[in-house]
Amino acid sequence: DSGVTQTPKHLITATGQRVTLRCSPRSGDLSVYWYQQSLDQGLQFLIQYYNGEERAKGNILERFSAQQFPDLHSELNLSSLELGDSALYFCASSAQLERGASNTGELFFGEGSRLTVL
Amino acid sequence: EDQVTQSPEALRLQEGESSSLNCSYTVSGLRGLFWYRQDPGKGPEFLFTLYSAGEEKEKERLKATLTKKESFLHITAPKPEDSATYLCAVRSNSGYALNFGKGTSLLVTP
Repeated sequence: DSGVTQTPKHLITATGQRVTLRCSPRSGDLSVYWYQQSLDQGLQFLIQYYNGEERAKGNILERFSAQQFPDLHSELNLSSLELGDSALYFCASSAQLERGASNTGELFFGEGSRLTVL
Repeated sequence: EDQVTQSPEALRLQEGESSSLNCSYTVSGLRGLFWYRQDPGKGPEFLFTLYSAGEEKEKERLKATLTKKESFLHITAPKPEDSATYLCAVRSNSGYALNFGKGTSLLVTP
């Protein structure tokens, strides 16, 4: 058990709909990352938050957005869903240190949320 | 842009048959190379972090090594429970997120 909790584990919805995925990081971790994993693309970095602020963006579509709340949990919002958005969405957390400091932290991943868009 | 390439894509071994998985990388300022194990339908599980060329780390039947251009994950006398997808990732000077390769799917048969 990594200590990272994701809900829901499975989600089936229709094209055009909107869903919200939730993540609770490990106790004490300030940084949350969202990744998308599909069969052909592998694990793709979407976005990172640190202590409530956006820190880095990867290959995140404009239809997707995320936020991190004061209690450090994070939500990933996916809207105007398309068939191609079907994938596993992972949240990961780390003990993030500031840039310039020694950063040796590995990422700890949750079990993922499997999204199926029909 | 960081690039991580893993080979082979898939590997089938008999129990006890040792082998190596390869991870080639191109990164501007390596701040860590990471190996993860992922079982079907599960999240990646952290195995090792390597930081500088020549570094080696071991855990049970697994040993990870690092050069300036690639990393190897050596599996000695594997068992069926070692069957999984092994992912390699790098962290560069440009940020804190990990950039993953597509993985090597390992199947160990009795």
